[in-house]
Amino acid sequence: RKEVEQDPGPFNVPEGATVAFNCTYSNSASQSFFWYRQDCRKEPKLLMSVYSSGNEDGRFTAQLNRASQYISLLIRDSKLSDSATYLCVVNNQAGTALIFGKGTTLSVSS
Amino acid sequence: DTAVSQTPKYLVTQMGNDKSIKCEQNLGHDTMYWYKQDSKKFLKIMFSYNNKELIINETVPNRFSPKSPDKAHLNLHINSLELGDSAVYFCASSLVPGQRPDEQYFGPGTRLTVT
Repeated sequence: RKEVEQDPGPFNVPEGATVAFNCTYSNSASQSFFWYRQDCRKEPKLLMSVYSSGNEDGRFTAQLNRASQYISLLIRDSKLSDSATYLCVVNNQAGTALIFGKGTTLSVSS
Repeated sequence: DTAVSQTPKYLVTQMGNDKSIKCEQNLGHDTMYWYKQDSKKFLKIMFSYNNKELIINETVPNRFSPKSPDKAHLNLHINSLELGDSAVYFCASSLVPGQRPDEQYFGPGTRLTVT
């Protein structure tokens, strides 16, 4: 089993749609969870951290289920500017590095 | 006031050459990293340094040698370049690993093409 697995994508949605990304991780000892965003030919940037209680930032909602080792990201009212690759990220067992999923590509069209 | 900077941004070179990529961060972070993102876009850690000490060395050919002259700099030297080394190399930095917040800040990347 890969350390971090994500929906393969790509997701092609119209503006205004709601889209959900899923991610599973293999290391039950992981303590930190994130969603990063990477635009084409750019560096990854933190979108949001993911907490056990779930957290929301505007149109973005992240959820963590430790029992199932599952992380999700929900984007409501998609905008053209949301088009990017979304990377699910967890820390390694030692807590010394981040492990990135392969990413899910989102394309929002008008 | 760039947080994490890398040079060069693009590097085209021939097989067998030796090249270096430089990275500097002005965030006062203790930890720096090198990642490789291959043609399939998979971002994988190569090395991690904390206060100039190597703490992570993933399965990377020993042709790759990181050097940290001080905690604000982490350079990557690559000997005898091969076609498979073509990728985008990202430098990143963070506060002490394992302590919150452990968000990593990435440099703009160096696109290496080996011909």
